[in-house]
Amino acid sequence: GAGVSQTPSNKVTEKGKYVELRCDPISGHTALYWYRQSLGQGPEFLIYFQGTGAADDSGLPNDRFFAVRPEGSVSTLKIQRTERGDSAVYLCASSSGGGYGYTFGSGTRLTVV
Amino acid sequence: AQTVTQSQPEMSVQEAETVTLSCTYDTSESDYYLFWYKQPPSRQMILVIRQEAYKQQNATENRFSVNFQKAAKSFSLKISDSQLGDAAMYFCAYRSAFRYGQNFVFGPGTRLSVLP
Repeated sequence: GAGVSQTPSNKVTEKGKYVELRCDPISGHTALYWYRQSLGQGPEFLIYFQGTGAADDSGLPNDRFFAVRPEGSVSTLKIQRTERGDSAVYLCASSSGGGYGYTFGSGTRLTVV
Repeated sequence: AQTVTQSQPEMSVQEAETVTLSCTYDTSESDYYLFWYKQPPSRQMILVIRQEAYKQQNATENRFSVNFQKAAKSFSLKISDSQLGDAAMYFCAYRSAFRYGQNFVFGPGTRLSVLP
């Protein structure tokens, strides 16, 4: 596609439920990143994929968070046993590599009630 | 670990005037990239301007320019001839050049209002 697509745009879930957030990167981009942006803050790094493998998952806050990218294109961020503190905008970005900026999606706003 | 600080939570500027947003960062690395991103209410992060640390010349993109002071670890953004469409959150970001695929470290952001 022309840009990075994230679905759903907004998600409301109950505390304790499981959620999946999807990211569809720009075609041909091998690098894919997930960030979390809490209210009033800058995005914080969660995980980076190069192809199908997670090259750096040091930003995942705990084992309730997991992400996959099985075919090296679409990625899914999975959150188990959601907590109210997980409420945030989850941003995805993709890149063809190198030292320049990425292309970001418009994010998924997750609200845990 | 690298950190990025933006000391101005909010700024305002009159339309057609000039405004400068401040950013400082902390790193022990010698080679890196610095960026300014704009985030409108649509939430998508839009690249405004970037600077390679090894370049002494300050980057310029139309009405946007930076003042990069490597020794002081300062990277401010100047917006000239401000337009209503410039109103948004602005984030300063750091990225290491030493490792392929390195992630960004973002500052907390500055909310810019443009007054008609």
